[in-house]
Amino acid sequence: ELKVEQNPLFLSMQEGKNYTIYCNYSTTSDRLYWYRQDPGKSLESLFVLLSNGAVKQEGRLMASLDTKARLSTLHITAAVHDLSATYFCALGKFYFGSGTKLNVKP
Amino acid sequence: NAGVTQTPKFRILKIGQSMTLQCTQDMNHNYMYWYRQDPGMGLKLIYYSVGAGITDKGEVPNGYNVSRSTTEDFPLRLELAAPSQTSVYFCASEGEPSTDTQYFGPGTRLTVL
Repeated sequence: ELKVEQNPLFLSMQEGKNYTIYCNYSTTSDRLYWYRQDPGKSLESLFVLLSNGAVKQEGRLMASLDTKARLSTLHITAAVHDLSATYFCALGKFYFGSGTKLNVKP
Repeated sequence: NAGVTQTPKFRILKIGQSMTLQCTQDMNHNYMYWYRQDPGMGLKLIYYSVGAGITDKGEVPNGYNVSRSTTEDFPLRLELAAPSQTSVYFCASEGEPSTDTQYFGPGTRLTVL
């Protein structure tokens, strides 16, 4: 059974701190996606990672992919309140993780 | 340029009723997707299409049907609605999966009572 597992599921952090969200998956794939969803809103595409060692950065968010370990990470640098949202990883377009709900406290 | 639009925004159905969720994109994208999102969960792919006239099943297609007669429109049909279909439905589109951004519609919140 294909699984995409994110951890932690909930993350409460202070502004200015760094943290990492992990996305483990159970089968090989050539594409790993990250999305953001604000409460009650639709999804916004953040990153697509296409190959082993791929790294993408946008502002305070950096995503990386290790296909050998079947692991992707989303690293948050010096968090700000505006980053509070739920973050999803997805394998291809088919299989989504359950999401990590991030709350950045001022 | 409206992006991806979905109608209706909200709908309440009785068990056994049918309805069509509409999805339209004005970006000339070939790829379109229908997902459902249950409370506190990630998205599950229902159906997708790689171009007009071509559709395929996703992870949870049972109880749904789709058609893609034009590039712009990708309606999702619910036949014989059941309480298990209570969910938020998102439509999405993209040009090329490897290089383009996937754009999502605002969603349709469906309740089946």
